[in-house]
Amino acid sequence: AQSVAQPEDQVNVAEGNPLTVKCTYSVSGNPYLFWYVQYPNRGLQFLLKYITGDNLVKGSYGFEAEFNKSQTSFHLKKPSALVSDSALYFCAVRDTGNGGSQGNLIFGKGTKLSVKP
Amino acid sequence: DAGVTQSPTHLIKTRGQQVTLRCSPISGHKSVSWYQQVLGQGPQFIFQYYEKEERGRGNFPDRFSARQFPNYSSELNVNALLLGDSALYLCASSLERGGYTFGSGTRLTVV
Repeated sequence: AQSVAQPEDQVNVAEGNPLTVKCTYSVSGNPYLFWYVQYPNRGLQFLLKYITGDNLVKGSYGFEAEFNKSQTSFHLKKPSALVSDSALYFCAVRDTGNGGSQGNLIFGKGTKLSVKP
Repeated sequence: DAGVTQSPTHLIKTRGQQVTLRCSPISGHKSVSWYQQVLGQGPQFIFQYYEKEERGRGNFPDRFSARQFPNYSSELNVNALLLGDSALYLCASSLERGGYTFGSGTRLTVV
């Protein structure tokens, strides 16, 4: 079955330190991978995506993600965290199966990022 | 440019009632998808419509239905509401499959 796993419910980082939010996936075929951020009582905001090409993808607000095919991972990173980065982060993969949800997104359960001053 | 707009932003319904949620996609986007996000979970796919035809359906009961209009806006209907239908309902639009832009959602509370 196709799936996305975000192994950490919460990540705590001090402002100015680097941050990593982990994501692993399981799909058949080539993965299309996405990261979204959700602020309280808001919808999802797109951060970045990997379709093909360079394994290091740069996105919005200084975030980047590294695609690792051998480890089936797509971890989100930022060199220097800001307090305003505190939010809920979702990793998603496009469903490549043959069922009714083909082409749509399968989300992880989310990771709460807390950046302290 | 206006993004994906959803209405209403919040509503409260009683068990057994019916609800209609609305979504207007980004201008030029012909695909609309609906997702349900239960508190503490990631969004789950409900429906996708493209050019007014259903292109995909997730694992949801028949109480859930949707449609897309000629202007590409969409409605999600839920009949016979259950307490478990309480969630944030998200609409996303795209030019093609993948690369979805989400609206701010409709928070449905069933009491």
